[in-house]
Amino acid sequence: EDKVVQSPLSLVVHEGDTVTLNCSYEVTNFRSLLWYKQEKKAPTFLFMLTSSGIEKKSGRLSSILDKKELFSILNITATQTGDSAVYLCAVFTGTASKLTFGTGTRLQVTL
Amino acid sequence: DAGVIQSPRHEVTEMGQEVTLRCKPISGHNSLFWYRQTMMRGLELLIYFNNNVPIDDSGMPEDRFSAKMPNASFSTLKIQPSEPRDSAVYFCASSLTGGVIGGQPQHFGDGTRLSIL
Repeated sequence: EDKVVQSPLSLVVHEGDTVTLNCSYEVTNFRSLLWYKQEKKAPTFLFMLTSSGIEKKSGRLSSILDKKELFSILNITATQTGDSAVYLCAVFTGTASKLTFGTGTRLQVTL
Repeated sequence: DAGVIQSPRHEVTEMGQEVTLRCKPISGHNSLFWYRQTMMRGLELLIYFNNNVPIDDSGMPEDRFSAKMPNASFSTLKIQPSEPRDSAVYFCASSLTGGVIGGQPQHFGDGTRLSIL
């Protein structure tokens, strides 16, 4: 059974801190890994990673994939209260478009 | 551009009743997914369609759940009869089929919050 595990489960930081969120996976027929941010409603897409060692960056957020060690990290620098959300990691497997999600990391950024 | 549209936004009903959730995917997307999200289990894939054809329904919890996609712009998820343990947020998502490389990002609707009393 495909498995995606995220850590920590929850995190509270002060505004301005840097955080690192972890995602490890055990799946068959890995294709790519995605990060989503979920606030009050729908998950919104952040990054899609298919190759090891290539950093994807968007503003203060960045992510990298290690296909040998089967994990990915999501970094957020200079956190802001608007970064408070649940961050979801998901893995595409197989030849179809099936995504397996982790249970998420709940990030709270305080003033 | 319109995103994925789900209705209703909220549904509260008594156990035993039939519940129908609706989804309109993004125009041009040919893959559609139904998920259920709870605090205990996170986001779980229930079923997905490719070009209106169900590909994998292994996530559908039991026979009380059924899903249809009669055309490229509409899908329904039906629960009959509903039970309190079905209470959750149900999301619909759509994407372009990505082929072998790894798929395309899925775009989610705002979800239907279902409460079965």
